[in-house]
Amino acid sequence: GEDVEQSLFLSVREGDSSVINCTYTDSSSTYLYWYKQEPGAGLQLLTYIFSNMDMKQDQRLTVLLNKKDKHLSLRIADTQTGDSAIYFCAESKAGGGNKLTFGTGTQLKVEL
Amino acid sequence: DTAVSQTPKYLVTQMGNDKSIKCEQNLGHDTMYWYKQDSKKFLKIMFSYNNKELIINETVPNRFSPKSPDKAHLNLHINSLELGDSAVYFCASSQEIETPLHFGNGTRLTVT
Repeated sequence: GEDVEQSLFLSVREGDSSVINCTYTDSSSTYLYWYKQEPGAGLQLLTYIFSNMDMKQDQRLTVLLNKKDKHLSLRIADTQTGDSAIYFCAESKAGGGNKLTFGTGTQLKVEL
Repeated sequence: DTAVSQTPKYLVTQMGNDKSIKCEQNLGHDTMYWYKQDSKKFLKIMFSYNNKELIINETVPNRFSPKSPDKAHLNLHINSLELGDSAVYFCASSQEIETPLHFGNGTRLTVT
């Protein structure tokens, strides 16, 4: 199957860490991605991880991958109001022609 | 400047009309895509082209016809528009198959 699921909403206070979770069902996934979509804007590639990696860190962003549980998370340290957006995880698999299967998106709201 | 650009940004039209959305990328990428985002923010691939050759054609009505005059352009033509075609259409490109996708800012199509 090709289901990718995320919780719909997350609310955090400015300065706290945010953790956005994603679960997927396709064990043949090769790359897993995180995209950010601000209101009225396109999808911005934040980071991605290859399926043989456990973790990837890029400045305030940390991606954790638990391949056994098919669980992906994105941690945003020191969350700012500018981080308020919808965050999508997506997976692709080898031989799939780079067809991305997207999650349902998590709306992150950062409160002062 | 803009890596993946789509025109128009907004498109309002009546049922039964034919319309086109244009997409251009200046990244030198070989592969281009069209994705559809519905009112619930769900994203699904429609088509992908690699070096002007169609490689993915999801279950999309025949009224939708992509055209790639060269590898930097992938246009989407829609015939006999229906109310259910209202959505945001995103163009994307990638260096090659199985590399990250870069998205345009989307075209919001409203069919009345």
